Amino acid sequence: AQSVAQPEDQVNVAEGNPLTVKCTYSVSGNPYLFWYVQYPNRGLQFLLKYITGDNLVKGSYGFEAEFNKSQTSFHLKKPSALVSDSALYFCAVRGGKSTFGDGTTLTVKP
Amino acid sequence: DVKVTQSSRYLVKRTGEKVFLECVQDMDHENMFWYRQDPGLGLRLIYFSYDVKMKEKGDIPEGYSVSREKKERFSLILESASTNQTSMYLCASSFGASDRGFYNEQFFGPGTRLTVL
Repeated sequence: AQSVAQPEDQVNVAEGNPLTVKCTYSVSGNPYLFWYVQYPNRGLQFLLKYITGDNLVKGSYGFEAEFNKSQTSFHLKKPSALVSDSALYFCAVRGGKSTFGDGTTLTVKP
Repeated sequence: DVKVTQSSRYLVKRTGEKVFLECVQDMDHENMFWYRQDPGLGLRLIYFSYDVKMKEKGDIPEGYSVSREKKERFSLILESASTNQTSMYLCASSFGASDRGFYNEQFFGPGTRLTVL
């Protein structure tokens, strides 16, 4: 069985500050990991993924994520948050029949 | 760009009605998915299809069925709608290949917000 945990329901940051959205996972075999973003009344959009190789993965809109095998984590980061980054963020493990976390609402205040 | 379209953005139905939600993708993806999204519960997989006429149950298949007669189209059917099926329904697709696409991202439609009265 595979699972994903997003320990924070809500993350609040000030515009211009760095942001981190946390994700931990449990899976047997290779941990293919994904981040998606959902803006209000929209479907999810793919941000980035880790398949293999460099532990720091870069994605869309200036986001990056760090894969840490020993801590089974895949935290999403951005060096300088924008108000427009405010959205719901989902971590997922495995493509195909993925398992999604419950989501973290990111609010960036001006 | 991949495009996944869903037949309706908003739908209101009555208890007991048969409801069809349609999803079409234009990128020749093997995999297609139906999820429901409820506040605090994240995304829950209802059904998954990895090929035409093939389907697998997800985490919450009860009260739902699916149909995939053509590769680009995946339909979700509520045989007899109930109020607890009021939700946001999301369709998605991805490349599958032989490993069912373990390392491929999913592309989502805009969602259908279904209200059952």
